[in-house]
Amino acid sequence: DTGVSQNPRHKITKRGQNVTFRCDPISEHNRLYWYRQTLGQGPEFLTYFQNEAQLEKSRLLSDRFSAERPKGSFSTLEIQRTEQGDSAMYLCASSFRGRAAYNEQFFGPGTRLTVL
Amino acid sequence: DAKTTQPPSMDCAEGRAANLPCNHSTISGNEYVYWYRQIHSQGPQYIIHGLKNNETNEMASLIITEDRKSSTLILPHATLRDTAVYYCIVWENTGFQKLVFGTGTRLLVSP
Repeated sequence: DTGVSQNPRHKITKRGQNVTFRCDPISEHNRLYWYRQTLGQGPEFLTYFQNEAQLEKSRLLSDRFSAERPKGSFSTLEIQRTEQGDSAMYLCASSFRGRAAYNEQFFGPGTRLTVL
Repeated sequence: DAKTTQPPSMDCAEGRAANLPCNHSTISGNEYVYWYRQIHSQGPQYIIHGLKNNETNEMASLIITEDRKSSTLILPHATLRDTAVYYCIVWENTGFQKLVFGTGTRLLVSP
C-alpha cells in the first residue's frame, strides 16, 4: 500500500499525559498537512509543511501542540498535557507541489485520540 | 470559515444519479471549486475540481454555473459504496494550502 499511513490508529490517554502521532506521506510528496476532526464536523486545518519547513500554522495549534518533519519525509504531531477537548480524529494528508493550480491532498486513515 | 453552503443530507436510490448542490455565492475569480468525500472511518478522498468549465472524471462530473456562484456534483450511477459525507470547498491558489471544510452533505444511497 503506497498511500498515506498514520500510527497509531487509536490512542486512549489520561488527561495531562503527552501523546505523539506519526504520519508517513506518499513517498514523492513534498507537502504534508495535519487536520483535526471532531464528531459531526469537517476536518479543520492545523499545520502544513513543505519539505521540512513548517509554513502555516492555525491558531488552533496551541502551545501544547508541536509538529515536526525533520527530514522532509515522515512527520510527528505531539500534544503535551492533553485535555479532554483534544479528543478528536487527527488526520494527515500529503500532496505534490507540481502543477501550480492544483491542490489534491491525499489523506491517511487518521489517528483517533480519546482523552479520559 | 467555510465559504460554501450545502444541504446537510440527501438520499439517492442505487443506480440513479446523485446530484449534490453547493452554493458559493462569494467565490472570487481565482478560487477553484473542489469536492472531497469522506466514507465512514476513513480520511477524505479527492473527487474533482474546477474553475469555470464543467469537468468530468472517472468518479463524477462537476457542473459550475456561469456566474460561478453555485455548482453541482453529479455521481451518474450511485452505488452503495458512494454513501459518504461530501464536502464542497473553494480554494484560492495564492500560496496558502489549507483546505477549509464545512460540514458537508451526508449522502445515503439505498438499495
